[in-house]
Order: sequence, then structure tokens, then C-alpha cells
Amino acid sequence: QSVLTQPPSASGTPGQRVTISCSGSSSKIASYNVKWYQQLPGTAPKLLMYSNDQRPSGVPDRFSGSKSGTSASLAISGLQSEDEADYYCAAWDAGLNDWVFGGGTKVTVL
Amino acid sequence: QVQLVQSESELKKPGASVRVSCKASGYTFTHYAINWVRQAPGQGLEWVGWINANGHPTYAQGFTGRFVFSLDTSLYTAYLQINSLKAEDTAIYFCARDSPQSCGGTSCFDYWGQGTLVTVSS
Repeated sequence: QSVLTQPPSASGTPGQRVTISCSGSSSKIASYNVKWYQQLPGTAPKLLMYSNDQRPSGVPDRFSGSKSGTSASLAISGLQSEDEADYYCAAWDAGLNDWVFGGGTKVTVL
Repeated sequence: QVQLVQSESELKKPGASVRVSCKASGYTFTHYAINWVRQAPGQGLEWVGWINANGHPTYAQGFTGRFVFSLDTSLYTAYLQINSLKAEDTAIYFCARDSPQSCGGTSCFDYWGQGTLVTVSS
């Protein structure tokens, strides 16, 4: 069981907005930057967001991130078929001295 | 361009050892740490640990004892060795570059290898 909690699935039709949550205890998220990774089927994960809301170059601005207290969110606006993937949040756990990942959210484009 | 290319899939028997390699190119290998991340079949991502540019390893909880990280800086290659393999070690193992330079001074995994499937079965 992951220490960061994500919904197992989310879905939307093309063009819709989908939001994925990532919640954890205060020691894990509140003080630390959250990263988001996208894993397309059969491929390696890709960095999608860092420092809660910063996009690496090349990531479309349809993707946005936010954090408030012990919860972080990833939003996909204007959902496209190529966004169908698993999405993972990650944060540094100072108590464990480990990186921890959420359990992942599978996004389906209907 | 930055690339991390991992070794091919491995099939091993319980109790054996396996070594997975991760060859870097397109950047100065000794300037970045390498992380290892595991993904069991149909499951999520799990951090195994990291090795810094000086070759000092740090293992995640639950991955001490049988897991060994190393570097060969002359070959621009990082290695993950797993000893005394168990069936539950069956997973895809990814290497990933740690790059605070790419993430505003905070650690992040900006480039990943393609993954190496390790299957442990008798």
C-alpha cells in the first residue's frame, strides 16, 4: 500500500478536463515538492511536473499541477487520446529517507 | 541527446544472481546520480535506491542486503546487482538520472532507461 494515495482510475472524453489527486500525511507532502510522472503503455515513466506546478520543457501546457497543504493535484485540460496512460505522484519522505510514489492513476480517454 | 540504455531481459532461477546495466550517453556521467526504480507486473513504481556520482550507494528500506549498486565511470555505466534472487523480485527495473539542474534545484528523475525485465522462476 502506497503512502501517497491516488485514485486508481480516472476518465474523460476528448476535450474534457480530468483531475488526479495525490494525498499523504503532513510529513510527506506538506513540506516537499511533488513530482508527477506519466507512463504510457509499455514504456518507461516520463517526468511531467516538478516542484508541484512546473512543467519541464516539451510538456504541453494542457498539463498543470498544484499543491495545497497535504494534497497535490494534476489536471489535464483538453484531454487527448494520447494522454491515456498511468500517472504517478512522487515525493521525498523525510521520515523514511526514501522517495515514495503514489499507487498510480490510470487515465482512460472514452 | 541524453540516453540511458539498459541491458536485455533476464530469466533466472531462485537463489541465483543477476546484474542489470544502464549505459549513459549524451551528458557527463560523473555529474549526476543514478536512481533505480522497480515495477512488479501490473503494479506501480517503487524506489529501490540511488548511487551518487562518487559511487556512494543509498538503498531504500526493504532493499538492503541483497541489492548492490555500482558504477564504472570509464564505461559511463551504472549497475544493479541482485543476489539470492526470489520469485518476488520479478519485475521491470528502471534506471533514471537524478537531475536537480533540470528541476529548479530539487531532485527529480528527468531521463529514464527503457527498463529491464528480470524474471525469477524455477
